Amino acid sequence: GDSVTQMEGPVTLSEEAFLTINCTYTATGYPSLFWYVQYPGEGLQLLLKATKADDKGSNKGFEATYRKETTSFHLEKGSVQVSDSAVYFCALAGSTSGTYKYIFGTGTRLKVLA
Amino acid sequence: GAGVSQSPSNKVTEKGKDVELRCDPISGHTALYWYRQRLGQGLEFLIYFQGNSAPDKSGLPSDRFSAERTGESVSTLTIQRTQQEDSAVYLCASSSGTLPNQPQHFGDGTRLSIL
Repeated sequence: GDSVTQMEGPVTLSEEAFLTINCTYTATGYPSLFWYVQYPGEGLQLLLKATKADDKGSNKGFEATYRKETTSFHLEKGSVQVSDSAVYFCALAGSTSGTYKYIFGTGTRLKVLA
Repeated sequence: GAGVSQSPSNKVTEKGKDVELRCDPISGHTALYWYRQRLGQGLEFLIYFQGNSAPDKSGLPSDRFSAERTGESVSTLTIQRTQQEDSAVYLCASSSGTLPNQPQHFGDGTRLSIL
């Protein structure tokens, strides 16, 4: 079945460091890919998405490119801030027997130090 | 309201009791999802509604779990004879369609603690 694998956290970085959170997937067909973020004490929010191969999703300085050849959707940011500290979830939306289902990774906790 | 609303925000109950969790999706959203998030773990899919029907119940962990949706709006997730392993945050999400590029909008969750 479809699945999403994320790098395990926690990831601890200093402010202004470069961030990469790896995400790979297995799926039949051509799923849409998402990154969601959960800030401390808040609910999950959509961060960015990509719906087809080679699409780049971007928001708040974060980027991720849908790479079909490597089945990856790695999240990157050039210069992280303390306010980026959160848990990041990679997800795919794929179809099983005509029903679309969202599959989430286990989440990666990011801690940014001032 | 503007977002997905869940109630109660916290629920503490004794083992063996039944609990009912409520989700009010964004108005007009036809798709509704329930997830479970255990401490330190990712989201575990439970059930998906399209309108009032549930084409995918594959994630419900046992027959103690059930869910319904009425009026293409409010949904309730019921857990009977709760067990300690049911302790988790239960998240509800809605989306405007079943197309794969429609993002889900999440509520803040119900934190369930079984004593």
